[in-house]
Parts: sequence; structure tokens; C-alpha cells
Amino acid sequence: ILNVEQSPQSLHVQEGDSTNFTCSFPSSNFYALHWYRWETAKSPEALFVMTLNGDEKKKGRISATLNTKEGYSYLYIKGSQPEDSATYLCAFDQGGKLIFGQGTELSVKP
Amino acid sequence: DAGITQSPRHKVTETGTPVTLRCHQTENHRYMYWYRQDPGHGLRLIHYSYGVKDTDKGEVSDGYSVSRSKTEDFLLTLESATSSQTSVYFCAISDDYEQYFGPGTRLTVT
Repeated sequence: ILNVEQSPQSLHVQEGDSTNFTCSFPSSNFYALHWYRWETAKSPEALFVMTLNGDEKKKGRISATLNTKEGYSYLYIKGSQPEDSATYLCAFDQGGKLIFGQGTELSVKP
Repeated sequence: DAGITQSPRHKVTETGTPVTLRCHQTENHRYMYWYRQDPGHGLRLIHYSYGVKDTDKGEVSDGYSVSRSKTEDFLLTLESATSSQTSVYFCAISDDYEQYFGPGTRLTVT
């Protein structure tokens, strides 16, 4: 059974803090790694799809890195804002079949 | 949202009754997926489809069947609903790496 682990499970930060989360996944048979942002009562929203070792992607204040050899990806949020509060999911892609981690729940206080 | 609707959005049903959930897309994407979301388990893949009449099992397929008779519709059927199938069900579509999620269906089996 494939295991995708995310840490921490939850995070509480103040507005303006920078933060990062980790996603660990199997280092063999890598196809792609996805990051999603999921707000309460909404559906998951795609942030990044990462396919190559060493990939770095950025969207505004959010960025992600990928290390397929050691099986981890980091998601960074610079200068967190209250609207960043959400659950951040990573998913290991087995050629279209996604195995999700349990997510990191981020709460940003004004 | 990427032109995905799910129906019904909420349903309460009794144990032992059949239930069919519908996912409809207007994007003409080839791949369609059904996930369930449960506390402590995150999102788990039930079944997926890679074309009309082409479907395959995901990691939690027991008790579920699917059908795809046309590109735009992917049906998920619980032949005889059980309380363990109480969950939020998400449909997703894809044409390449990224998967786009529908709004979800909350199903309660009493």
C-alpha cells in the first residue's frame, strides 16, 4: 500500500508569517506530484503539478519544490494572509490515479 | 469551476437501497474520477474512467460500480447502500496531469 504523508497535520500562524509544509511519497515509479488547496465547503483547487526532479513552481506568494530521488516536496507560503487559511493536500500521481495525503490544515490569524 | 456538476448535491437514504450519483462535465475531458472524502482518510479513489465504456477500480471500489455511456457523464452506483458509505463524494475530470474537482455530493446512509 502506497503511503503519502504530510506534515504537520495542522498549523496556526499569524498574518505575515512565512510557513512551509512537507509531503513525503514513494521515491520509486514517480509520475507526478500534485498540490491542492481546499477551503471548507468548497472543492479542491489545483495549485501545482510537478513532474521533474528539482522542479520549482511559483504562484504569487506560494511556491513548491520537488525531490523525487528522496521522495519529498515542500510547499512554501510567504507572508501568510487570513485568506490562505485552508487545507493543503498533496497527491502522488500513479499515471492518473492519485493517492492523497491527509493534508495540512493552515489557520492564519489576523 | 471547470464545467463540472454533480447531482444530487445532498442525499439521505436508507441502508439497503440503491443510490446513483451523477457527474456531468461540459469540458469534453477524457478522464473522469470518483473519490470519497472521510475524516482521517482524506480523499480516496473509488473508480475512474479513461474513455466511454472504459473504467477501472481505484483503492476503495468494493460496494460501488460505475458506468460511462457518454463522454460527459460518469455515474457512480451503490447497489445496496451501507452506513459505511456515508461520505462526501467528489467527481474529478482531467485531460492531462491536472484534475479538476466538482462541488461534491454529501450522502448520508441511515
